[in-house]
Amino acid sequence: DTGVSQDPRHKITKRGQNVTFRCDPISEHNRLYWYRQTLGQGPEFLTYFQNEAQLEKSRLLSDRFSAERPKGSFSTLEIQRTEQGDSAMYLCASSLVQYRDRGIGGSYEQYFGPGTRLTVT
Amino acid sequence: QQQVKQSPQSLIVQKGGISIINCAYENTAFDYFPWYQQFPGKGPALLIAIRPDVSEKKEGRFTISFNKSAKQFSLHIMDSQPGDSATYFCAVPSGNTPLVFGKGTRLSVIA
Repeated sequence: DTGVSQDPRHKITKRGQNVTFRCDPISEHNRLYWYRQTLGQGPEFLTYFQNEAQLEKSRLLSDRFSAERPKGSFSTLEIQRTEQGDSAMYLCASSLVQYRDRGIGGSYEQYFGPGTRLTVT
Repeated sequence: QQQVKQSPQSLIVQKGGISIINCAYENTAFDYFPWYQQFPGKGPALLIAIRPDVSEKKEGRFTISFNKSAKQFSLHIMDSQPGDSATYFCAVPSGNTPLVFGKGTRLSVIA
């Protein structure tokens, strides 16, 4: 088990450019989450997937943001027309939710990757 | 949107002392209340979690105390060590959001 990996670890881009981040979850995990974390704050939920289905998106996720998880394995998060306010750490996490868990119960044990730090200049 | 209030914002504790971090939430109907630990440059890692049908859970030097009626839970770190210096986050489930995190408590354990 190699844990959750994210690529790249750091990204510097100019305002207006598009960026794409990749997350590889723990292989047997069926749920994958994206969070954004700014300095001095806790992770803020952006979206999550159950296998390949995107189940929930936060209001924080504007139409410039899109996430995919083709085939229920790795996921990508794309930000179009980046703005300086997008500068943050983007965290990916995964978890295994058993069929017996009701609702979203069982999602508390999330395994986080090291994050991608985005700087928009 | 669930509000999660965590306190204090920062904490300095002498080595060997007890660190106490508190978390208050508005409402939840789900099963677990976790604490996460984050070191600089790393993602958060699950430290300990409690179910709402028990009032306390202990794992080594870490204890969660849970007060369902008050909608509060706290993390106690006994015999705090310099290696415990990190940022700690409480989290609660909320509606369709798997976890809502508190703003974090930066703990510094000094020798």
